[in-house]
Amino acid sequence: QVQLQESGPGLVKPSGTLSLTCAVSGGSITSGNYWSWVRQPPGKGLEWIGQIYLGGSTSYNPSFKSRVTISIDTSKNQFSLNLSSVTAADAAVYYCLRHGGRFFDCWGQGTLVTVSS
Amino acid sequence: QSALTQPASVSGSPGQSITISCTGTSSDVGGYNYVSWYQQHPGKAPKLMIYDVSNRPSGVSNRFSGSKSGNTASLTISGLQAEDEADYSCSSYSGSSTYVFGSGTKVTVL
Repeated sequence: QVQLQESGPGLVKPSGTLSLTCAVSGGSITSGNYWSWVRQPPGKGLEWIGQIYLGGSTSYNPSFKSRVTISIDTSKNQFSLNLSSVTAADAAVYYCLRHGGRFFDCWGQGTLVTVSS
Repeated sequence: QSALTQPASVSGSPGQSITISCTGTSSDVGGYNYVSWYQQHPGKAPKLMIYDVSNRPSGVSNRFSGSKSGNTASLTISGLQAEDEADYSCSSYSGSSTYVFGSGTKVTVL
């Protein structure tokens, strides 16, 4: 059974870059699924950030498009999120997840990122 | 890309049925049969409850059902139980390989 685990700094400075990695275990990241990032600000709803497919093709939420990059490292069986120019509004629990293109069926446990100087 | 609209809260007594709505547009909910629903307990990751409007994943109780009419999807929980108290979010494919989530609904079992 595929498991996902997010990792990265829990504290990022304003105007800095948020960088998170999602390690995939129990299966190969080359399995043909899509790999996404979703976030949830404290007390608020879920927000889809973007996704990457095996061939490296990406799609992003237009709200983030100019600041976000998602990449994949098949040699390490992991994928990553970079979000630049962060502000307090980017503070959230960030989830990595796998999906087949229609629904999100496998989620990581989430990692809390705080934005503060 | 605007969030799908859900009621902030819905409540019901044990044994009752409740319905949560999820309203979008013809570009997302109304345009595709790719609506899914997620249950989230405090401090936990979301769990898939319904996919493709009305399908249940293996292991999800048949007390949960989904439907769609026009630009509005609905999740119905029948025979409400204490363990159903959680936050519920809908999601829809919105074209061009993008997705949108709902604003979330807190379900309270009275």
